[in-house]
Amino acid sequence: AQRVTQPEKLLSVFKGAPVELKCNYSYSGSPELFWYVQYSRQRLQLLLRHISRESIKGFTADLNKGETSFHLKKPFAQEEDSAMYYCALSGRGFSGGYNKLIFGAGTRLAVHP
Amino acid sequence: GAGVSQSPRYKVAKRGQDVALRCDPISGHVSLFWYQQALGQGPEFLTYFQNEAQLDKSGLPSDRFFAERPEGSVSTLKIQRTQQEDSAVYLCASSLSANQPQHFGDGTRLSIL
Repeated sequence: AQRVTQPEKLLSVFKGAPVELKCNYSYSGSPELFWYVQYSRQRLQLLLRHISRESIKGFTADLNKGETSFHLKKPFAQEEDSAMYYCALSGRGFSGGYNKLIFGAGTRLAVHP
Repeated sequence: GAGVSQSPRYKVAKRGQDVALRCDPISGHVSLFWYQQALGQGPEFLTYFQNEAQLDKSGLPSDRFFAERPEGSVSTLKIQRTQQEDSAVYLCASSLSANQPQHFGDGTRLSIL
């Protein structure tokens, strides 16, 4: 079955510390992985997708097919990074060519001054 | 419009009542998705439209849930004979085409008393 696991409900760090939000997935084909972010009182928005291989707001994520992981990393956390982060999976094989997303339960990142 | 618009933002209904939730996608977006987000969980896929065609309704939890998009633009999610377990945030997302990034609305928070 397709599944996304985010093992941490809350990650609390101090400003300037490195951040790694964990995401593991279960999918038998070739998945596409995403990170979505929801800042306080804002709507869910796309942070990055693995096929873009870009860095957004200092965040990066590498797809590791061997470990079935897509961890989100940032070397130096900022207070404005505090938000809810969701990892999501889509696979054209099971969704007929459209991005039917399967989300993890989310990790709340709290960055303290 | 600036983005996906959902109404109402909040809806309180008594158990057994019918409710209708509206989604106005970004103009020109072909694909439209509905998700249900229970408290403390990530969004879960409900249904997908490509223009006016409902291509996937595999996530609808029961036959009390019905969605339509008659003219390929605005979509309505209807829940008949609401139950307490229907209490959740209902999110709508649209994308330019099937495999483009999804843009989410603010959601409708539904509370069933």
